[in-house]
Amino acid sequence: AQSVTQLDSHVSVSEGTPVLLRCNYSSSYSPSLFWYVQHPNKGLQLLLKYTSAATLVKGINGFEAEFKKSETSFHLTKPSAHMSDAAEYFCVVSEGADDYKLSFGAGTTVTVRA
Amino acid sequence: DTAVSQTPKYLVTQMGNDKSIKCEQNLGHDTMYWYKQDSKKFLKIMFSYNNKELIINETVPNRFSPKSPDKAHLNLHINSLELGDSAVYFCASSRLGQSFNYGYTFGSGTRLTVV
Repeated sequence: AQSVTQLDSHVSVSEGTPVLLRCNYSSSYSPSLFWYVQHPNKGLQLLLKYTSAATLVKGINGFEAEFKKSETSFHLTKPSAHMSDAAEYFCVVSEGADDYKLSFGAGTTVTVRA
Repeated sequence: DTAVSQTPKYLVTQMGNDKSIKCEQNLGHDTMYWYKQDSKKFLKIMFSYNNKELIINETVPNRFSPKSPDKAHLNLHINSLELGDSAVYFCASSRLGQSFNYGYTFGSGTRLTVV
């Protein structure tokens, strides 16, 4: 079985400061991990993915995430937040044994202060 | 544009009515999904079809019936709508065996409000 825990339901940062969104996962197999972003009243867009290649993954819009197997974590970071980063972020896990299904975390709401 | 498209974008209806949400993808994917996002933004899979065959059917009331006329379409029909059905419904697609590496492509969602 697989599951995802996003440790913060809400993160508030000032524009220009770093953003950290924390995600821990549990998986019986070697998982693939994703971060999706959902802007208000929009669909979900893939930010980045980890699929057992490099543990530091770069995504769109300056985001990156590091896969740490020993800590079962996949935290998302950005060095400098922009107002357009205000959105809902979902950490997602997929296991090779159950290829069809992605399991979503509960989401982290990011607000960016001017 | 290559995409997953859902219609309608918004749907407001009375309790007891029957309604459908349509989904189409032109990405050449062979697997399609319906997810429900509740008021707390939690996303939960409802159904998945691969080449018109049902492969995932989570614990969903029988009032929800997916229909896949071909592998590019997956529609969701809901009978006897209830207040608790109010949510955002997302359609998604992937290529069989590749969601592990590539994730899904999502539609923009249908916001269903039952009054």
